[in-house]
Amino acid sequence: NAGVTQTPKFQVLKTGQSMTLQCAQDMNHNSMYWYRQDPGMGLRLIYYSASEGTTDKGEVPNGYNVSRLNKREFSLRLESAAPSQTSVYFCASSPLTGSSYEQYFGPGTRLTVT
Amino acid sequence: KNEVEQSPQNLTAQEGEFITINCSYSVGISALHWLQQHPGGGIVSLFMLSSGKKKHGRLIATINIQEKHSSLHITASHPRDSAVYICAAARGAQKLVFGQGTRLTINP
Repeated sequence: NAGVTQTPKFQVLKTGQSMTLQCAQDMNHNSMYWYRQDPGMGLRLIYYSASEGTTDKGEVPNGYNVSRLNKREFSLRLESAAPSQTSVYFCASSPLTGSSYEQYFGPGTRLTVT
Repeated sequence: KNEVEQSPQNLTAQEGEFITINCSYSVGISALHWLQQHPGGGIVSLFMLSSGKKKHGRLIATINIQEKHSSLHITASHPRDSAVYICAAARGAQKLVFGQGTRLTINP
């Protein structure tokens, strides 16, 4: 099993460009999450999907959209990138809905917006 | 004040030392997670606990619900334990509130 995979690993964008971060899991998990990690801030939840067909906003959703394409895949889209979105982005999945279940993290995508 | 506070922020120790990392939270939670972030950036879940104590190898996690406090202990520390350790409080249906992490360095 590959676990949780993310593409790309690194990306540099210019302000105003758009891009989609891809995430896939092969563990048949119901819930999937997108986090961003900034120095001194800890991980913060952007969006989550409790189950296939549902998505909800987290703590910092502005400037992002998500799609739960199927049970395996959960993508994060930046429509018009801004320097404030420079961060490391982690996708995670969990077998069941709820924060009391262990989450499995992808390797991260390091995004720089210039 | 952050909802989840970790101490210390940085810790350097010699190989073999007993390590303790603390996590305090200010709100009611359903569970507490301990995560390890490797120098390369990958994040691994170590423990999820809602009461008492859990042990895995040289790692031990404890939680005191009444005092809103959890500790992560590492016995016989080794340079490969060098990483950032993160605690996260499970609040509500989906929300994890993360601490800022403790950077641990074990010197040989």
